[in-house]
Formats: sequence, structure tokens, C-alpha cells
Amino acid sequence: DGGITQSPKYLFRKEGQNVTLSCEQNLNHDAMYWYRQDPGQGLRLIYYSQIVNDFQKGDIAEGYSVSREKKESFPLTVTSAQKNPTAFYLCASSYSQETQYFGPGTRLLVL
Amino acid sequence: GESVGLHLPTLSVQEGDNSIINCAYSNSASDYFIWYKQESGKGPQFIIDIRSNMDKRQGQRVTVLLNKTVKHLSLQIAATQPGDSAVYFCAENSYYGGATNKLIFGTGTLLAVQP
Repeated sequence: DGGITQSPKYLFRKEGQNVTLSCEQNLNHDAMYWYRQDPGQGLRLIYYSQIVNDFQKGDIAEGYSVSREKKESFPLTVTSAQKNPTAFYLCASSYSQETQYFGPGTRLLVL
Repeated sequence: GESVGLHLPTLSVQEGDNSIINCAYSNSASDYFIWYKQESGKGPQFIIDIRSNMDKRQGQRVTVLLNKTVKHLSLQIAATQPGDSAVYFCAENSYYGGATNKLIFGTGTLLAVQP
């Protein structure tokens, strides 16, 4: 069963806490992406990775960090420096120059 | 169409009617366009794509039209069903940083199908 999985579905963050969102794909895609979605707004790119051990900042990278140690995995850490983390986070993957396919999303809420 | 702020434009149609969702894109150099469907609380699903060397592409019950002169994209859904109710996004594909494509998303249109 191929696809992109994200976990957890819901995540709660306390003040000053770092939290990590998981994204895994078994589509053998080279590129992976993290987006943030706020109500009534389009998707905004946080980070992307073209290949293992390489990643680049997107449009709103401040307060976030990523790693790409394996082709299948691209975890996103929301750090305490991100002052407004409440959002729906979407991971996607693609072959180079092809359509991006999205995971089911993680909703992050602040306690 | 595109929206500003928290309120998505909404298209309300009767079940069985045809729906047309419009999108204006920004970059005349974009060469690939995609429509996504997003149901509440879920990730976007790919519906159909079109390359800039085409004006029209048809799928199952969906047709995408591309007018490069006015930078306009539309999605037509035939015989709209309650299961079509969702937010629909267009995305244009721009290239930066080597081979990686960057999708630029519209804010979306909410399609509400009335039974």
C-alpha cells in the first residue's frame, strides 16, 4: 500500500516546547516538502528537500527545522522560536518536476 | 477565484448540475498547472493537471481549461455530486533551485453541493 503517512494526526504543544512531526513516504520520490495551512489561506512552503542530506528553506522557515537522513523520511520540528505554531501541517513528495502528492496532515494545537 | 483573508469564495450548486471553478495564476512562465481537492481535515488530493502546451484536458467527469493569454485556469465538474463538496485549489508550477518544482497555490474555492 503506497503513499505518504504523517503522524500524529493531532499534536499538542506546551509553551517553550519543541515538537516533531513525522512524514514517511514509500513512493520512492526524491523530493519532499513541508507546508503550513492556516484557515482560509493557501499552502505556504516551510522547507523542501531534493535529495537525502540536503534541504532548503521555503518561504516561512523561521522557527522550524528539518532533517533528511533517509529518502523515505522528512521530519519537521516546530521549535519554541515559532510563536504562532497553531496550524495544519502538510507533507508532500514528488519525483523531480512532477506533481506533488500530499499526506493526510497533522493538526498542531498550543496548550 | 482567489480570496483575500479568512473567507474563501464559495460556489453553491445543485446536485446534478455542472460546476465551474475559476483560478487566476500569476506567472506567465509557469508551464504546468494542477487542480487539487481538499476535504475538511484531510490533505489535498490530485485531481487533474495540464501542461502549458495544451488548452484543454479531460478526466473522468472533470475538464481543465487553460487560457494563457489572460492567465486563467478553470475546472469543470460534470454532474456534480454531494461527494464533490470540498475546497478546490489550483497550483502553478514554477522552477527554482535546480530540478525542484515549486508549487504556488491559490487560496481555494469552496464547492458546496446542495442535494
